[in-house]
Amino acid sequence: AQSVTQLDSQVPVFEEAPVELRCNYSSSVSVYLFWYVQYPNQGLQLLLKYLSGSTLVKGINGFEAEFNKSQTSFHLRKPSVHISDTAEYFCAVRKTSYDKVIFGPGTSLSVIP
Amino acid sequence: DVKVTQSSRYLVKRTGEKVFLECVQDMDHENMFWYRQDPGLGLRLIYFSYDVKMKEKGDIPEGYSVSREKKERFSLILESASTNQTSMYLCASSSPKKTSETQYFGPGTRLLVL
Repeated sequence: AQSVTQLDSQVPVFEEAPVELRCNYSSSVSVYLFWYVQYPNQGLQLLLKYLSGSTLVKGINGFEAEFNKSQTSFHLRKPSVHISDTAEYFCAVRKTSYDKVIFGPGTSLSVIP
Repeated sequence: DVKVTQSSRYLVKRTGEKVFLECVQDMDHENMFWYRQDPGLGLRLIYFSYDVKMKEKGDIPEGYSVSREKKERFSLILESASTNQTSMYLCASSSPKKTSETQYFGPGTRLLVL
């Protein structure tokens, strides 16, 4: 069975500092990987996704993530965060042949001015 | 842009009441999903539907049912609400035409059962 682990439930970071949100997954087959963001009182929206090809994926709002197959990780990074990045971030995985998505428990990013 | 709307942003219901949560999408997506979101647990799939009048159980279907009479509308029903169903409920839709297609989410309904 697939599972997704987000190692940090809360990450406080100062404005303009870099941030990395960690995600590890377990799966015996190839998967698609996603990062979603949820701003306060809103639904989830897609930040970026890895389907195939280059292991470095760039998304919206300056975020990027790197797929590491040997470590089964898909960590999210941003070199300089803004106050507006304060949100909940969810890592998700889906088998390539099946549409059910498994979400991680989420990481709450708080950007401190 | 894809738009997924949910009938209510906030709901307060009493234990034992029948509760209907409505979701409508405007992109002709075949797939629709209902999740509940709880702190520390992320999103958990309740039910999903791949087509009109079709439904499949997700990971936590107990205490819930769904209805999909039209392609654009997917309803979640709590037959007899209980306090442990207090949660945020999120609806999503996607198209299976591309297996990589992402899910598009509604704004969520925060349900409080007293």
